[in-house]
Amino acid sequence: KNQVEQSPQSLIILEGKNCTLQCNYTVSPFSNLRWYKQDTGRGPVSLTIMTFSENTKSNGRYTATLDADTKQSSLHITASQLSDSASYICVVTIIHNAGNMLTFGGGTRLMVKP
Amino acid sequence: EAGVTQFPSHSVIEKGQTVTLRCDPISGHDNLYWYRRVMGKEIKFLLHFVKESKQDESGMPNNRFLAERTGGTYSTLKVQPAELEDSGVYFCASSQVLGQPQHFGDGTRLSIL
Repeated sequence: KNQVEQSPQSLIILEGKNCTLQCNYTVSPFSNLRWYKQDTGRGPVSLTIMTFSENTKSNGRYTATLDADTKQSSLHITASQLSDSASYICVVTIIHNAGNMLTFGGGTRLMVKP
Repeated sequence: EAGVTQFPSHSVIEKGQTVTLRCDPISGHDNLYWYRRVMGKEIKFLLHFVKESKQDESGMPNNRFLAERTGGTYSTLKVQPAELEDSGVYFCASSQVLGQPQHFGDGTRLSIL
């Protein structure tokens, strides 16, 4: 079982609508949580990064939240655009004796339709 | 500033052959990472270089995989001999300082026939 679970696996919304993607994690000890956007055929690009003590972080129309007690994070996209169509990946950084390691969720594939 | 570049973008080889993937990190980035995504699975960590030294190679699947970063600049990942289960997308990422967001390349899609 993956230590970072994302839901839904895929999502279709109409342009202009809002949506929220979920991420539950079990990894510990926890350093930070990041959301990445990955366009088809491209590498992941960082959207937000939150440390243990942060509850929310915004980047334009993207707002990430973090509840470290319940080990849940969400990514809210406001007023979606066609260019938001991509995979969104939740990544938790764990601390281990060799340094920091990124643990990836399986991603949510978002399709925004006109 | 140029981003992380990977070569080739695609590689199709037969089982048993050898393939070498290359990654050029962002100039000045001491930290270089290799990741892999196999079909239907999440991206998984392979290894981490700090300059020319292997900081963490706990994610390397077996001894058919050899990563090098001579001189602390570009890195290569060699698979020898390739097996069917090695098919996937291999990503490279770099960061200037440990803990900063990693910048990813667009990956090399490797297909083993």
